Order: sequence, then C-alpha cells, then structure tokens
Amino acid sequence: GQNIDQPTEMTATEGAIVQINCTYQTSGFNGLFWYQQHAGEAPTFLSYNVLDGLEEKGRFSSFLSRSKGYSYLLLKELQMKDSASYLCAVRRGSTLGRLYFGRGTQLTVWP
Amino acid sequence: NAGVTQTPKFQVLKTGQSMTLQCAQDMNHEYMSWYRQDPGMGLRLIHYSVGAGITDQGEVPNGYNVSRSTTEDFPLRLLSAAPSQTSVYFCASTPAGGSSGNTIYFGEGSWLTVV
Repeated sequence: GQNIDQPTEMTATEGAIVQINCTYQTSGFNGLFWYQQHAGEAPTFLSYNVLDGLEEKGRFSSFLSRSKGYSYLLLKELQMKDSASYLCAVRRGSTLGRLYFGRGTQLTVWP
Repeated sequence: NAGVTQTPKFQVLKTGQSMTLQCAQDMNHEYMSWYRQDPGMGLRLIHYSVGAGITDQGEVPNGYNVSRSTTEDFPLRLLSAAPSQTSVYFCASTPAGGSSGNTIYFGEGSWLTVV
C-alpha cells in the first residue's frame, strides 16, 4: 500500500492562517491532490501539484517537495465555511483515475 | 450538465442480498472508478475502468463486481452483501486530457447499510 500521513484534526480561528501537512511514500509518483469534503458531501477538488513549488489559488495554496515526499495546503483568511475534512491524495503511474488517499484532516474553524 | 450521478443515495440491505449501485457521467470521461469511505480509513479504491470494456481491481475489490459496457455508465454490484460493506460509496470520473492534472470528479455518494 501507500503511506500517506496527515494530521487527524486541527483547529483555528476565523481570519487566521492554517497549514495542513501531508507526507507520503510511494514509487511512480505522478501528482498530489488536495480535496475538501464537508460532512455528508462528496470531495471537491482544491489543488494539484506535480512539480516542486507553490501553487496559489485565491485563499488556498498548495506546496510540493518531491524529494522530501511532502506537501502542505495553506488556507488563509479562514472562514467558518472552511470547516471541513481536507484530503491529501497521491497518484502513482499513468492510471489517471486511481488515487491513494490519506485519512483526511478534520479542520474546525472557531469564531 | 449533471456531472457524475449516483443512485440510490441511501440503501439498507439485509445480509446476503445483492444490489447494484448505479453511476453515470455525462462528461465523456474515459476513466471511471468506485471508492468507499469508512470512518478513519480515508477513501479506498474498489474498482476502476480506463474505458468501455476495460476494468481492473483497486485496493479493496472483494465482494464487488463492475462492468463498463458504455463510456457513460459504470455500475457497482454487491454480490452478497455483508455488514463489512456498510460504507459510503463514491463513483468518480476523470478525463484523459485536460488541465488540473486530470482531476477526479466525484458523485454525491451512496450511503449503504447492511444489517
């Protein structure tokens, strides 16, 4: 199997910045994804990294270091609606529809 | 454009019963897959398909069958339901070409309880 680790829970206050880390060990690495999942809903795509560096998209940014097997998702200007589970997923090889997911990080944003 | 549509949304089965979870996508995506999500376990791949007529096993295929007779449809069959198959099931599709790393698009999920 794949080893994909992320913290189980995190808390933060509205307006703050939070960083959710993800480490992975895999062969044939072909991209890392971050998804957001609200309770009772489907995961929705947030970001994708395949090369080292930072990808910024509005309040959300994602970073990847392939040599370290490390990624983080950075959420700025937190809002109550950001309370959700954040899923880190890795793709191996060329099978586009096949992802390996971490167990998710439950983020709670307090007022 | 409906995206990925799953039915039913909720289902209760008795142990030993069989059923099919339906999945359809209208985006002409080549790749389709089924995941299950259990508390504390994350999403795990059951079966996937790289195109019509082609399927393969994922991480947890036992107890499930799939077929892909058309590009649009990818049903998941539970042959003889067991309590261990109580879970939330997500169907997903992925385009072969495109931006954002060919991201996976998920259906809304099917909540299955086996008693």
